[in-house]
Amino acid sequence: SQELEQSPQSLIVQEGKNLTINCTSSKTLYGLYWYKQKYGEGLIFLMMLQKGGEEKSHEKITAKLDEKKQQSSLHITASQPSHAGIYLCGADRDYGGSQGNLIFGKGTKLSVKP
Amino acid sequence: KAGVTQTPRYLIKTRGQQVTLSCSPISGHRSVSWYQQTPGQGLQFLFEYFSETQRNKGNFPGRFSGRQFSNSRSEMNVSTLELGDSALYLCASRSDIRTGTYEQYFGPGTRLTVT
Repeated sequence: SQELEQSPQSLIVQEGKNLTINCTSSKTLYGLYWYKQKYGEGLIFLMMLQKGGEEKSHEKITAKLDEKKQQSSLHITASQPSHAGIYLCGADRDYGGSQGNLIFGKGTKLSVKP
Repeated sequence: KAGVTQTPRYLIKTRGQQVTLSCSPISGHRSVSWYQQTPGQGLQFLFEYFSETQRNKGNFPGRFSGRQFSNSRSEMNVSTLELGDSALYLCASRSDIRTGTYEQYFGPGTRLTVT
């Protein structure tokens, strides 16, 4: 079965520093999602990538899906305390995402020190 | 548009009881999925409903069930609660895939504690 591995598991950065979180799949990714979660709360949708080589940005967050579609990275530029939280990558289990069934990585806990 | 809403936000139940959680999807979204999140297992898919039909089911016992109404609102039910059912239950909605939109949006979750 497909698995998503995120690295690192946790990250502490100084405010203003850049950082990257990786998500690696054991199988080809048909749809890759990035979410942010504050402890005990719901998931906030950040971005979704579908095509190999695709790159999307929102404010200071950029996500890429590699050409082979088995790895994605999330890059935060000039981190701020508001970026702190748990970042989760999720992937469609099947082509076309027709089943509303995502698998998720274990998450990366990000702390930003002022 | 209003986001995905879930009620109640917090619940405390006793072992052996049953519980019903409710989810209202984003207006126009017909697909509703349910997930369980625990510290040990992470986020796990429970089931997905589309147009009142269960399309897919995760690897959970039959004590976990759900349904979807004609207005796309969904409920999930857990019978004979066990301590291990304590978790954050998340609902997510997705627009009709025929429009080419696949983003899945999550609600705030229901925190269930079983004592």
